[in-house]
Amino acid sequence: DSGVTQTPKHLITATGQRVTLRCSPRSGDLSVYWYQQSLDQGLQFLIQYYNGEERAKGNILERFSAQQFPDLHSELNLSSLELGDSALYFCASSLTSGDFQETQYFGPGTRLLVL
Amino acid sequence: SQQGEEDPQALSIQEGENATMNCSYKTSINNLQWYRQNSGRGLVHLILIRSNEREKHSGRLRVTLDTSKKSSSLLITASRAADTASYFCATAPIQGAQKLVFGQGTRLTINP
Repeated sequence: DSGVTQTPKHLITATGQRVTLRCSPRSGDLSVYWYQQSLDQGLQFLIQYYNGEERAKGNILERFSAQQFPDLHSELNLSSLELGDSALYFCASSLTSGDFQETQYFGPGTRLLVL
Repeated sequence: SQQGEEDPQALSIQEGENATMNCSYKTSINNLQWYRQNSGRGLVHLILIRSNEREKHSGRLRVTLDTSKKSSSLLITASRAADTASYFCATAPIQGAQKLVFGQGTRLTINP
């Protein structure tokens, strides 16, 4: 158990809909990262938040957005969903801003299926 | 596109044998990390090796890094059935946007 929690574990929705994925980092970690894992694209970094502020941005679509709240939990919002958005979405956390120089601890993931 | 490319894509060995997985990357890096993923689950961090390091050990794991060849290897000695998983290398590029770039992974199967 990494100490990172994600809800929900599974999500089934329809095209065009909007969903919110939630992540609670390990106690004391200030950075939260979001990743998408799909069969065709592999594991891709989406976005990082550090202490409430956006820190780094990866291959995140404009239809996707994220935020980190004062209690450091984070939410990833996916809107206007398409079939191709079906994937495993992982959240990870690390102690500091990290600049990707430190260990990231991954949550169990949310499996999203868009029908 | 993925910066890291693992080789082989799949590896099947007998329990007790050593398993070696390789990773190649394209651009200069700050560090390279190896992760393990059991089927459909979250990733577990194994080792981080910095660009000025050549070798690192952790239990039965040995990682090497050759920055001149832009390659890394992960060796698992005395493999166990529980080592069955996918192994990913991830690189933190020096230039460009800060991020962790994952390879496609090596699927390792340990046969009892």
